[in-house]
Amino acid sequence: GEDVEQSLFLSVREGDSSVINCTYTDSSSTYLYWYKQEPGAGLQLLTYIFSNMDMKQDQRLTVLLNKKDKHLSLRIADTQTGDSAIYFCAEDEGRRALTFGSGTRLQVQP
Amino acid sequence: NAGVTQTPKFRVLKTGQSMTLLCAQDMNHEYMYWYRQDPGMGLRLIHYSVGEGTTAKGEVPDGYNVSRLKKQNFLLGLESAAPSQTSVYFCASSTPDRAANYGYTFGSGTRLTVV
Repeated sequence: GEDVEQSLFLSVREGDSSVINCTYTDSSSTYLYWYKQEPGAGLQLLTYIFSNMDMKQDQRLTVLLNKKDKHLSLRIADTQTGDSAIYFCAEDEGRRALTFGSGTRLQVQP
Repeated sequence: NAGVTQTPKFRVLKTGQSMTLLCAQDMNHEYMYWYRQDPGMGLRLIHYSVGEGTTAKGEVPDGYNVSRLKKQNFLLGLESAAPSQTSVYFCASSTPDRAANYGYTFGSGTRLTVV
């Protein structure tokens, strides 16, 4: 089956770093994505990583990819209250559609 | 540039009623998708389309039908609504190769409650 797994909840204090983890299923996945969903809104693409990379940095965001363990992580530096949202990882196996994880709710406490 | 537009945004149905959700995109994307989102379960694919006039089943197609008569529109129908179909429905579109750095473009969702 196709299961992308994430922990359901993460709570951090404002200014700390957040690390959201994801395990995916298909070692042949070409792209892996992180999406952000704010309350009452759709999903917005946050960042992505190509499968031949092991790290990508984009301002406060760092994506780490461990292909051997099929593990993907998203690190948010200096987490702000505006980062409170649900974060979804998704894998693209080059087939019909993206497969999404169940989402991690990030709560940032002031 | 509207992107992906879903209508309606909210709807309450009685069990057994029917309705159609409309998704429209203005990006000339070939692929379109319907997902449902339930708490703790992420997004599950209902149906998708790889081009005008073609549709295919996703992970949870039962109780839903779709049509793609025009490239820019993808309709999701519920023939006889059931409480188990209470959910938030998202439409998305993409190019065939997902244009890697863009993945999907999502609509803002339709919140459906079946009582």
